[in-house]
Amino acid sequence: AQSVTQLDSHVSVSEGTPVLLRCNYSSSYSPSLFWYVQHPNKGLQLLLKYTSAATLVKGINGFEAEFKKSETSFHLTKPSAHMSDAAEYFCVVSNTGFQKLVFGTGTRLLVSP
Amino acid sequence: EAGVVQSPRYKIIEKKQPVAFWCNPISGHNTLYWYRQNLGQGPELLIRYENEEAVDDSQLPKDRFSAERLKGVDSTLKIQPAELGDSAVYLCASSVTDGDFEAFFGQGTRLTVV
Repeated sequence: AQSVTQLDSHVSVSEGTPVLLRCNYSSSYSPSLFWYVQHPNKGLQLLLKYTSAATLVKGINGFEAEFKKSETSFHLTKPSAHMSDAAEYFCVVSNTGFQKLVFGTGTRLLVSP
Repeated sequence: EAGVVQSPRYKIIEKKQPVAFWCNPISGHNTLYWYRQNLGQGPELLIRYENEEAVDDSQLPKDRFSAERLKGVDSTLKIQPAELGDSAVYLCASSVTDGDFEAFFGQGTRLTVV
C-alpha cells in the first residue's frame, strides 16, 4: 500500500520569507509524487510532479520540490512567500500516474503581511 | 477552454433522502474520476471511468452509491439513501486517457446531510 504523511497541518509564514511544506511517502514501488494546491472555492490545481526523472522538480508560481529516496521525502519549497500563496496544499503519491492518486491530509499555509 | 464543471455547488438534504451530482468533463478527456473529500482530509478516489466503462470502483460503497457515465461524456454520482456520514465534498476530475496525463479537478459539490 502507498501513503503520504504531511508533517504539519498548518504552516504560518510572513510575506517574503521562505516556505517549507513537509511530506514523507511510503510506497512499495517507484512512485510518482505530486503537490496540489486548493484555494477556497476553487478546484485542485497541480503544482508539480515527480515521475522518476530529475529529482529536483520545478513547478508553477515559483514552487519546487526535491525527491529524496533515502529519506522518503518530497518537501515543497518556495524562496519567498506571496499573499496569494495562502491555501491548502496536498502531497500526493501514486503508482499508476494520475489514475489513482493517494492524497495526504493537507497543510494549510497562512501568509501574513 | 472550459474546465471540469460540476453541479450543484452546494446541496443540503435530510438523511435517508436521495441525492445526485453531475459532472461535465473537459472536452476530449476520456478518463473521468469521482473523489470524496471529508472535512480536514485529502480526497479519496471513489470510481474511475475510461469512456463509459467503470474500470476502478473498488472504493465505491455500492450498497448506497451508484454512478453512470452515459455516452462516455457526462457523469452522474448518486447516493440513495444518504446518511449523515456522507457529508463531504464530492470532486470530479478528468484527464486524457493514459495515467501520465494530468487530471484536472472541478470545484466540487459540497453535500450536507442533516
